[in-house]
Amino acid sequence: EVQLLESGGGLVQPGGSLRLSCAASGFTFSTYAMTWVRQAPGKGLEWVSGLSGEDVTTYYADSVRGRFTISRDNSKNTLYLQMNSLRAEDTAVYYCARRGTYFDLWGRGTLVTVSS
Amino acid sequence: EIVLTQSPGTLSLSPGERVTLSCRASQSVSSSYLAWYQQKPGQAPRLLIYGASSRATGIPDRFSGSGSGTDFTLTISRLEPEDFAVYYCQQYGRSPLTFGGGTKVEIK
Repeated sequence: EVQLLESGGGLVQPGGSLRLSCAASGFTFSTYAMTWVRQAPGKGLEWVSGLSGEDVTTYYADSVRGRFTISRDNSKNTLYLQMNSLRAEDTAVYYCARRGTYFDLWGRGTLVTVSS
Repeated sequence: EIVLTQSPGTLSLSPGERVTLSCRASQSVSSSYLAWYQQKPGQAPRLLIYGASSRATGIPDRFSGSGSGTDFTLTISRLEPEDFAVYYCQQYGRSPLTFGGGTKVEIK
């Protein structure tokens, strides 16, 4: 089955760190660009970061640049998002999605809550 | 940054009705790099349309997209009960990728 499965979310204090993972299955992961999109509670969708398939070019929204790092391990079919210096406004469901343009496959999301 | 404005914010309709959703961009979206998604409560978004008018795999033909430049439209020819949801447009012609604020289609 073609799917994405996020993990690693949870409650973290402001200034803390968290690493999200996204396990891919059912398709040739290494050939696809991948993306993280987030959605704050009751709000719309926000593109966070993207990563190309092979040459690992990275892209970031201004709101997370310098704090978040996207990476992938093609041998493990896994996408990561390392989140440092977390702020209350980073509270959201984080989705991983396939492709770096439009997104044709989404995971179920993982909730990150930044609160003291 | 390209700002996408969706209107109206909420639509109250009955099953069987035709619905037209609007997405207006603050700048021209190159090569019609515009997508539409459907999101139901507690679920991830689902791709409906890409390239402004191409239906994604498995999407019923009652969904259609049109437009170019700064004005895009998603049309549902006849609302089915499962179509009541929030719809988002997204442009991928210029970085950063951006989404519209969404239109909620609710049951009247």
